[in-house]
Amino acid sequence: SYELTQPPSVSVSPGQTARITCSGDVLAKQYAYWYQQKPGQAPVLVIYKDSERPSGIPERFSGSSSGTEVTLTISGVQAEDEADYYCQSADSSDTWVFGGGTKLTVL
Amino acid sequence: EVQLLESGGGLVQPGGSLRLSCAASGFSFSSYAMSWVRQAPGKGLEWVSTISDNGGSTYYADSVKGRFTISRDNSKNTLSLLVSSLRADDTAEYYCVKTLVSVAIYYFDFWGQGTLVTVSS
Repeated sequence: SYELTQPPSVSVSPGQTARITCSGDVLAKQYAYWYQQKPGQAPVLVIYKDSERPSGIPERFSGSSSGTEVTLTISGVQAEDEADYYCQSADSSDTWVFGGGTKLTVL
Repeated sequence: EVQLLESGGGLVQPGGSLRLSCAASGFSFSSYAMSWVRQAPGKGLEWVSTISDNGGSTYYADSVKGRFTISRDNSKNTLSLLVSSLRADDTAEYYCVKTLVSVAIYYFDFWGQGTLVTVSS
């Protein structure tokens, strides 16, 4: 079982907005981080500290936080955004945990 | 350009050991924490271990504590993971990951391509 809970799948049509949630008690106290993993590739950091975007990540990726839930939002979804997305935060002290992952399908 | 090149994976019998290595380049290796994160076939990501920039602090997931040992050689820009007492559920792609820290949370800003460890008789 995971301390961070994500929906297994989300589907959107191209150009629409995709929202992927991640919930867990720890998120009320700790930042969340988001990773994108395309098939056969290593993960890539797309959001850090709940809502900051690393250089090189398109502006259509954004993050938000409210209480024990964080949300990754992809505006104007493109076919290339189809991937698995994982949230990450702290577990107990000095351990770190990922959510179970969400498969984003672009219809 | 940041590069992380893992090696040392392979097929090993249950109870066996392997040493995974990661050669880092393109950044000041000694200034960053480093981690190993694994992914079982068809499954999600699992944090395994993190070592601080100077090697003075190490952290392990409960699932590997006492069986895995993380280390680094800053003079050679290499990260290692000694994996011992291997079990079938240790079968996974093991990623070497450049690690940042923010408000006491380590997070992972650049990943290698991984090395596959298969535990089977």
